[in-house]
Amino acid sequence: DIQMTQSPSSLSASVGDRVTITCRASQGIGNYLAWYQQEPGKVPKLLIYAASSLQSGVPSRFSGSGSGTEFTLTISSLQPEDVATYFCQKYNSAPLTFGGGTKVEIK
Amino acid sequence: EVQLLESGGGLVQPGGSLRLSCAASGFTFSSYAMSWVRQAPGKGLEWVSAIISSGGNTNYADSVKGRFTISRDISKNTLYLQMNSLRAEDTAVYYCVRHSSAWYKYSTMDVWGQGTTVTVSS
Repeated sequence: DIQMTQSPSSLSASVGDRVTITCRASQGIGNYLAWYQQEPGKVPKLLIYAASSLQSGVPSRFSGSGSGTEFTLTISSLQPEDVATYFCQKYNSAPLTFGGGTKVEIK
Repeated sequence: EVQLLESGGGLVQPGGSLRLSCAASGFTFSSYAMSWVRQAPGKGLEWVSAIISSGGNTNYADSVKGRFTISRDISKNTLYLQMNSLRAEDTAVYYCVRHSSAWYKYSTMDVWGQGTTVTVSS
């Protein structure tokens, strides 16, 4: 099975900082990569699909890139409401594996 | 409004069984694949099982294969997860999730329920 590895597992940044999270697949998955945001105590929410397409209603400061085995989620200017854990997920085939998550905090 | 409402969670002893339900509303249930995703306390997300829109194809994580069964009743707009031979490591919040198309392959999880908690303990 394909493994999904996220890094870092946590980060702390200041408001306005540019934040980048990496997700690596152990084998190529094309662009079948999604990113989800889970705010503390809340339900996960789809942010990005097809590696770089923004889900409707998601602020434009979020962006995704990559294909094959390496992907990134970027928050161009971190806001207090972005405090959350972010998960990547492959969806080219089952199992529909998630990455381990990256917890983002405000410094 | 698109909505998924899970029920059926609770406390069960190791080796016991439980059936989760997910009532769907606000969309054409028969047109979308569905999944169950779980989250153990303080841990990440784990995909558990998926079913295509017609119910004719299912898939399971290795951790639950042979113990859990996913199904759907189109007439009742309801998704189910029958969980047998439960273990302590099955303790988690279980989310009902809608996929963005009829197949779970090549489609993202675009609508999530609020979750139902399953605790396996003696």
